[in-house]
Amino acid sequence: AQTVTQSQPEMSVQEAETVTLSCTYDTSENNYYLFWYKQPPSRQMILVIRQEAYKQQNATENRFSVNFQKAAKSFSLKISDSQLGDTAMYFCAFMKQRTASKLTFGTGTRLQVTL
Amino acid sequence: KAGVTQTPRYLIKTRGQQVTLSCSPISGHRSVSWYQQTPGQGLQFLFEYFSETQRNKGNFPGRFSGRQFSNSRSEMNVSTLELGDSALYLCASSLTGGSATNEKLFFGSGTQLSVL
Repeated sequence: AQTVTQSQPEMSVQEAETVTLSCTYDTSENNYYLFWYKQPPSRQMILVIRQEAYKQQNATENRFSVNFQKAAKSFSLKISDSQLGDTAMYFCAFMKQRTASKLTFGTGTRLQVTL
Repeated sequence: KAGVTQTPRYLIKTRGQQVTLSCSPISGHRSVSWYQQTPGQGLQFLFEYFSETQRNKGNFPGRFSGRQFSNSRSEMNVSTLELGDSALYLCASSLTGGSATNEKLFFGSGTQLSVL
């Protein structure tokens, strides 16, 4: 079975600064996908970024980028130029290849962006 | 394009009752999956349906069941409700299940179920 660990329950960052959220996972699989989801107070889970394990290049989406270290089973999220709207719960998630939407989530990191 | 729609937003039930939650996926999406979110257990996968067939199932008791209709809309049913079933139930849709290259899972805003 896969496990996903987020060791930072809460983090705070000032507006316009950069913050990194940590995630480690454990799996014996070689082909899988990793995700970061954001859950604002509206409760909707919003995909922030996705990484395929077979790709060595780290994924980026505008102000969001990841540091994917496959050997270390580490998948951190960097948010640059933080904005007040980034305040939310952030979940790291894992999905085995060909397991049809079965995401394994971490416990989440509550991020607060302050003025 | 309309997003994933879940109804109702809130539900209050008593122990022993049953409940049905509804999820309308994004138009054209054939995969619908369900998740339970609680403060204690976090986010857990319930099951996934594709073209009216259950393809994947999490570790939940048989009281939790679902189905998918020909228009891809899905319902989830919980029978003989227990206090521990109080949770946010999230539905997600995708074209084929989320594993194709660059495919994304889109979530709804959930149904908050309270069991008294």
